Amino acid sequence: QVQLQESGPGLVKPSETLSLTCTVSGGSISSYYWSWIRQPPGKGLEWIGYIYYSGSTNYNPSLKSRVTISVDTSKNQFSLKLSSVTAADTAVYYCARVVVVVAATLTYYMDVWGKGTTVTVSS
Amino acid sequence: SYELTQPPSVSVSPGQTARITCSGDALPKQYAYWYQQKPGQAPVLVIYKDSERPSGIPERFSGSSSGTTVTLTISGVQAEDEADYYCQSADSSGTSVVFGGGTKLTVL
Repeated sequence: QVQLQESGPGLVKPSETLSLTCTVSGGSISSYYWSWIRQPPGKGLEWIGYIYYSGSTNYNPSLKSRVTISVDTSKNQFSLKLSSVTAADTAVYYCARVVVVVAATLTYYMDVWGKGTTVTVSS
Repeated sequence: SYELTQPPSVSVSPGQTARITCSGDALPKQYAYWYQQKPGQAPVLVIYKDSERPSGIPERFSGSSSGTTVTLTISGVQAEDEADYYCQSADSSGTSVVFGGGTKLTVL
């Protein structure tokens, strides 16, 4: 059974870069898409972006200028970098496995989620 | 940017039926998915492809679609169903993943 675990600093200073890693266990990172989602305190879910194991990416247009998602298949990990953070980036960050549905267009959903990690942006 | 609209809250008594709606212009062309999130926990997928139920999800959870609205129905609501529910889909091009704002289900 695939499990995901987020890791990284819980506190980041304003204007710096937030860096998180998701480790996939119980299965291979290959042949799947992988995603990052965040949830500010008391608010809803926000999709950040996803990456295919081959390295192709797609990002939320509202975050695209600050986001980089990368994958390391040798370590069964994928990572998130979010630059120039502000207090508005304070959130629980989740990593998740993505399932692609081929219909008239492609759609995506997340079937396995990590437990999430809290990141606070503060000086 | 594309949006999915959900009611902020729904309340039902135990044993009754809860219906949570999600509206979006691209829903006639895109599948919808539903997640349940309890406090302090990660979301859990409860419905995929509008009406399919993942293994392990109770039969009282069902989904339907009509035009620009999809509906999550929980029949015979139990106290353990109290949670936030989020719909998720994609924009008309299938490029961006979008979540609804979430609906808090309260079991009275």
